[in-house]
Amino acid sequence: GESVGLHLPTLSVQEGDNSIINCAYSNSASDYFIWYKQESGKGPQFIIDIRSNMDKRQGQRVTVLLNKTVKHLSLQIAATQPGDSAVYFCAENIRGTGNQFYFGTGTSLTVIP
Amino acid sequence: GAVVSQHPSRVICKSGTSVKIECRSLDFQATTMFWYRQFPKQSLMLMATSNEGSKATYEQGVEKDKFLINHASLTLSTLTVTSAHPEDSSFYICSVLQGNTEAFFGQGTRLTVV
Repeated sequence: GESVGLHLPTLSVQEGDNSIINCAYSNSASDYFIWYKQESGKGPQFIIDIRSNMDKRQGQRVTVLLNKTVKHLSLQIAATQPGDSAVYFCAENIRGTGNQFYFGTGTSLTVIP
Repeated sequence: GAVVSQHPSRVICKSGTSVKIECRSLDFQATTMFWYRQFPKQSLMLMATSNEGSKATYEQGVEKDKFLINHASLTLSTLTVTSAHPEDSSFYICSVLQGNTEAFFGQGTRLTVV
């Protein structure tokens, strides 16, 4: 279902290192997930998506892993760059409830040059 | 992906007045749009699903008479915040559904009620 965060978890990484951002969900009927990147004052930007019939999906410098057993997904960013600094959200679509997406709490990523 | 435009990007209004926010799908026809609000350092909260030619579907706890949604064409949905109060100050964001999967977002509207 929908999630509202009271405050954003933060993650700081050195430039060039890999980043791992995690997201937990609670509804076993969630079957489609999207990772978004949101820069300050802007709308979310689509990064990568994954369906529940997959465990892993790769894009350019990003990988999403889905573990349905524990209801957890992660976003891995390889060779993190200063431009990756932003807030990252996972969003879920719940089967049978329509096409709307519900957002997780979000994680604020800061890349240290 | 879809190009989504919101207008205005920022608006300041007096308490008690109404404000209309537009969300346009610039490069394809969108039968479904979504409206979210976001408080500082918090996540996006889904407010309602806007369906072209029919009434919007509101999430639990969202006042439909307070937040009027109109989706009169396949490229335009509007959100009107009626009788705005300072607690309505927020970042309002719309998204457009492409196919049945990916949702693409507008750049958001910062509403400040004084």
